[in-house]
Amino acid sequence: NAGVTQTPKFQVLKTGQSMTLQCAQDMNHNSMYWYRQDPGMGLRLIYYSASEGTTDKGEVPNGYNVSRLNKREFSLRLESAAPSQTSVYFCASSETWAEQFFGPGTRLTVL
Amino acid sequence: AQKITQTQPGMFVQEKEAVTLDCTYDTSDQSYGLFWYKQPSSGEMIFLIYQGSYDEQNATEGRYSLNFQKARKSANLVISASQLGDSAMYFCAMREVRGNQFYFGTGTSLTVIP
Repeated sequence: NAGVTQTPKFQVLKTGQSMTLQCAQDMNHNSMYWYRQDPGMGLRLIYYSASEGTTDKGEVPNGYNVSRLNKREFSLRLESAAPSQTSVYFCASSETWAEQFFGPGTRLTVL
Repeated sequence: AQKITQTQPGMFVQEKEAVTLDCTYDTSDQSYGLFWYKQPSSGEMIFLIYQGSYDEQNATEGRYSLNFQKARKSANLVISASQLGDSAMYFCAMREVRGNQFYFGTGTSLTVIP
């Protein structure tokens, strides 16, 4: 039982490059989330998916797209990376009215 | 308006003493949940404790307890008998019944002094 897994753990991009962050959970949770964490800002929600087939914008969605591929997987795509997207990205999942379980995070640097 | 406010950027506590980390929240919902997470220097997010808005008793989990004062909209985390391993960032979070979003505070950095 791996919980929430994220790949990659680290990534360096050049401005304008694209990439997809992968997230998978094996707890059969309906809801999945993508956050970014910047120093002094706490966690800010980028996108979330309440259930398979649905996605909604969070607090800071600009510059990102998501796909809820199936119940297990929720990916985050940066189409044209910018230095302002340098951050640590966390994926999380939860069941209704329960705590979120977080992945280990992806540290992304955009040069 | 901020949904979750943590006013203590950094706190220090002597080993074996108790410490309270403050959290206030803002919601017009009657039904919501409050959560605390710990983030050690290794970076992972660890769930500590949960309080439902209709729970009359304060939640407790081992050395962690949540001091829930609904009228004041506060949900302070109390750590008893602090240990060196408690040194970490602590985040307060809230989930409203109407949505699936979790709202996080900016965190409090706790340092336990030997």
